[in-house]
Amino acid sequence: KNQVEQSPQSLIILEGKNCTLQCNYTVSPFSNLRWYKQDTGRGPVSLTIMTFSENTKSNGRYTATLDADTKQSSLHITASQLSDSASYICVVSARPGGSYIPTFGRGTSLIVHP
Amino acid sequence: GAGVSQSPSNKVTEKGKDVELRCDPISGHTALYWYRQRLGQGLEFLIYFQGNSAPDKSGLPSDRFSAERTGESVSTLTIQRTQQEDSAVYLCASRPLLTGQNTEAFFGQGTRLTVV
Repeated sequence: KNQVEQSPQSLIILEGKNCTLQCNYTVSPFSNLRWYKQDTGRGPVSLTIMTFSENTKSNGRYTATLDADTKQSSLHITASQLSDSASYICVVSARPGGSYIPTFGRGTSLIVHP
Repeated sequence: GAGVSQSPSNKVTEKGKDVELRCDPISGHTALYWYRQRLGQGLEFLIYFQGNSAPDKSGLPSDRFSAERTGESVSTLTIQRTQQEDSAVYLCASRPLLTGQNTEAFFGQGTRLTVV
């Protein structure tokens, strides 16, 4: 069964600090992994996407890593800002022949305090 | 339109009533997904459309839930005889169905359904 597990479930950090969110998956055959940011009351928005051959991808202060061997990904946020407070969702998609339904993690809720 | 549009943005209904939630996907996006998100919870898959057909309805929680899509465009999610546990944000997403799977799914803002 395709699964995506995220940790921690929630995280509180001070503004300006760095943090790292984790994602483990068991989706097969693997195609790509996306990190989405979901602000409260809004739909998720894609931050990064990585395919099998990519092991790191940056988008401003967000850097995602992927280890396809261990089926793990992380999202590192540098110099956090109050606007980073949101839910961060790891989503893994399968290749054609696998499911067209992306598998969503439950998300990590990040709160950045001033 | 420029993005995925959902309506209404908020809906309060009495227990036992039927509701219809609408999704206008991005023009040309063949794949359309409905998800449910309860307060503080992750996204729960409901149904997937490829064009106007729904090859995967496995996420619909009961026979009170149904969905259709017409013209490879607008989709409607209908909940009959609503129950309080149906209260949630219902999100719609669409993406092009190309040969690869790397196309991004774009989400609407969701419909917040409250059953009282």
